[in-house]
Amino acid sequence: AQSVTQLDSHVSVSEGTPVLLRCNYSSSYSPSLFWYVQHPNKGLQLLLKYTSAATLVKGINGFEAEFKKSETSFHLTKPSAHMSDAAEYFCVVSPYNNNDMRFGAGTRLTVKP
Amino acid sequence: EAGVTQFPSHSVIEKGQTVTLRCDPISGHDNLYWYRRVMGKEIKFLLHFVKESKQDESGMPNNRFLAERTGGTYSTLKVQPAELEDSGVYFCASSQPDPTQRHEQYFGPGTRLTVT
Repeated sequence: AQSVTQLDSHVSVSEGTPVLLRCNYSSSYSPSLFWYVQHPNKGLQLLLKYTSAATLVKGINGFEAEFKKSETSFHLTKPSAHMSDAAEYFCVVSPYNNNDMRFGAGTRLTVKP
Repeated sequence: EAGVTQFPSHSVIEKGQTVTLRCDPISGHDNLYWYRRVMGKEIKFLLHFVKESKQDESGMPNNRFLAERTGGTYSTLKVQPAELEDSGVYFCASSQPDPTQRHEQYFGPGTRLTVT
């Protein structure tokens, strides 16, 4: 069985300050983990993915995430928030080479000027 | 390169009516997926096509939902008859046939379905 818990439904930061979006996973298999972002009226866009290579994964737009097996976490971070980062973010877990993708409930990020 | 497109973007129908949602995947993507997000809940997998064949339809909620992908290009998802609990956003995604890229799914903007 596999599941994902996004610990915060809403995160608010000021422009220029760090972003931390938390994700914990549960998986019976060696998982693949993803972060997707959805801007208003747009499709979900892949930010980054972990597939058992390097544990620190760099994605687009300055985001990165670290896979920590001991903590079963895959938190998303960015050193400095930009107004354009305001969106909803989804953490996703999937067994390796399997289509069974389980989404977290989403975290809505607000960036204040 | 055109992305995944979905039509319509919004649909409002009455309970008992029929609605058909359409998804056009990225050209060359054999894998096509349907997902649904009911208000306040997680995005849930509905089914997966490989070309025109249903690879996995374990997420389809009941037999009021029918998905097709004739010719292995675009796909339709029909809800007949629609019920109130079918309201939500229906996402389509596609991915390349290369197994190593299989998980990199490209999503469309979704169709927001409201059943009144």
